[in-house]
Amino acid sequence: EAQVTQNPRYLITVTGKKLTVTCSQNMNHEYMSWYRQDPGLGLRQIYYSMNVEVTDKGDVPEGYKVSRKEKRNFPLILESPSPNQTSLYFCASSLSAGNFLSSSSGANVLTFGAGSRLTVL
Amino acid sequence: AQSVTQLDSHVSVSEGTPVLLRCNYSSSYSPSLFWYVQHPNKGLQLLLKYTSAATLVKGINGFEAEFKKSETSFHLTKPSAHMSDAAEYFCVVSVHPNAGGTSYGKLTFGQGTILTVHP
Repeated sequence: EAQVTQNPRYLITVTGKKLTVTCSQNMNHEYMSWYRQDPGLGLRQIYYSMNVEVTDKGDVPEGYKVSRKEKRNFPLILESPSPNQTSLYFCASSLSAGNFLSSSSGANVLTFGAGSRLTVL
Repeated sequence: AQSVTQLDSHVSVSEGTPVLLRCNYSSSYSPSLFWYVQHPNKGLQLLLKYTSAATLVKGINGFEAEFKKSETSFHLTKPSAHMSDAAEYFCVVSVHPNAGGTSYGKLTFGQGTILTVHP
């Protein structure tokens, strides 16, 4: 089944303890991205990757790191988590960024993971 | 720079009546615009997208949106609401690929509009 898989789905951790949220897709997608969702703020893009070894900052990159060493994986790293990083995180992928911006019709060109709820105490 | 403002945080309609969800955008370049829907405890699903073809865009489940450059708006409408339309809706802006570089990978979401449909 074509999907984006995030792990862990739920995590409670403490301030300063490094953690990694993994994201893996099995669709050979070039484009991957991370978002955080907070009440009243919608989704905010943290980082995106156009392809292997190509990453760019989104709107809220502070406190996060990413890497794209292979096409299928795009982990989100919190080196020193703080309580303001408590949030619901989504990973998403697309065949290419150009694909989801193409004029052709079709749904679900960005495929989202199920979300990872992170609590930092 | 780009930004999106969804003008209503909550919209409540009766089943069978029209739906209007409002979105204004700001973009330094020609934009690409999207509407996504998120049902409770689910991931996001694309409803429709505008990428400089027709200004009136039709999406899934009877939704459509009109791009109005003069008003910098991309409002989402549906003639008749169904109970199953109850969800949170997000307007999203990106830079058009013709702007060059890789900035079209950057997506900016609005704050979301929660749509409630009453029987």
